[in-house]
Amino acid sequence: QSALAQPASVSGSPGQSITISCSATSGDVGSFNLVSWYQQHPGKAPKVIIYEVSKRPSGVSNRFSGSKSGNTASLTISGLQAEDEADYHCCSYAGSSASGVFGGGTKLTVL
Amino acid sequence: QLQLQESGPGLVKPSETLSLTCTVSGDSIRRDSYCWGWIRQPPGKGLEWIGSSYYSGSTYYNPSLKSRATISVDTSKNQFSLKLRSVTATDTALYYCARRTDYSSGWYVDNWGQGTLVTVSS
Repeated sequence: QSALAQPASVSGSPGQSITISCSATSGDVGSFNLVSWYQQHPGKAPKVIIYEVSKRPSGVSNRFSGSKSGNTASLTISGLQAEDEADYHCCSYAGSSASGVFGGGTKLTVL
Repeated sequence: QLQLQESGPGLVKPSETLSLTCTVSGDSIRRDSYCWGWIRQPPGKGLEWIGSSYYSGSTYYNPSLKSRATISVDTSKNQFSLKLRSVTATDTALYYCARRTDYSSGWYVDNWGQGTLVTVSS
């Protein structure tokens, strides 16, 4: 199973919006609506912020939103805050016989 | 509140077997709608699924690790474990145990352990 492609880094200023893409060359993201996104602060375990492409778990800010078009899923963070500076990882279900696949992760810097 | 805690050696020699255990507290591991798995993160790199298992024994592995990995669940101890055989330096990573929801509930990791660093070195 192939990894999902994410940009290595993105940056934005406080108050701005940024979007992180997650692309698959085949299957994976495009075939299923089971894409999740995780936020990981340094030295901490990841935390889910989006599941099933666009759903937010209870307690996650509505500044985080997800979408999907074809083989590319996207995470948008609006109204950037300093606390959003972290690594973001996408993950997709990869079929009933597989365990799932992650993207390479994107480091978000809040300028 | 559900808590997951990894335990096991922090140093493993090349060609040997890496063995980790995850102790689950705050809920039973015998939940039909959840799967118990292992995810690793090499230093400075991204996350990688190793595999996951339902308490009933159905397991799912990353194809690239399937020949070396075994995940098992011990319901009597509310624990699950990972064995990774024939390790090399490329297996050096922070290993997380995790709970994943099943396909009908969104298929995502809703709980993570704190992670344990395993270094492969002689």
